[in-house]
Amino acid sequence: AQRVTQPEKLLSVFKGAPVELKCNYSYSGSPELFWYVQYSRQRLQLLLRHISRESIKGFTADLNKGETSFHLKKPFAQEEDSAMYYCALSGVGSARQLTFGSGTQLTVLP
Amino acid sequence: ETGVTQSPTHLIKTRGQQVTLRCSSQSGHNTVSWYQQALGQGPQFIFQYYREEENGRGNFPPRFSGLQFPNYSSELNVNALELDDSALYLCASSSGQVQETQYFGPGTRLLVL
Repeated sequence: AQRVTQPEKLLSVFKGAPVELKCNYSYSGSPELFWYVQYSRQRLQLLLRHISRESIKGFTADLNKGETSFHLKKPFAQEEDSAMYYCALSGVGSARQLTFGSGTQLTVLP
Repeated sequence: ETGVTQSPTHLIKTRGQQVTLRCSSQSGHNTVSWYQQALGQGPQFIFQYYREEENGRGNFPPRFSGLQFPNYSSELNVNALELDDSALYLCASSSGQVQETQYFGPGTRLLVL
């Protein structure tokens, strides 16, 4: 069975401070990992995916297969980064369903 | 390009009733996935439709059913509503290609009393 764990429901940091949102997964195979973000009053949207290995809005995430982690990082948080962040996993298969973690609410304080 | 739309935005039903939720996929997308998001939880996969056929199902009972139409829009039907069905129902569309991105709609908020 596939599972995604986000241990922190709430995370607060000050503007300009580094931020790391943790994500651990369980999957017997080679998963595809994603970070989705939901800003206030907006729909869920893709932030980044590990296969593209790109930085979006200054965020990066590295897939660590040994630790089964896919933590999201940003060196200098901005107030506009305040949002709900969901880590998600897609396994191999025709359905390619997304399995989401329970989310981390990030608040960047001024 | 039109994004994913869902209707209605919210509705209230009583236990035992039936409900139909609708989703219009993004232009050019032939795959629709439905998710249930309970309060304080991440979205949970219900099922997916690809070219009008069910293409995968999560751990939901048969009273959750769906349809996809030739224009790739989709319906989610829930029979014999239970209190625990109260949630935000999300629809996501994708192109059906390998490693495609799923684009989410705004959701329908369902309250079962």
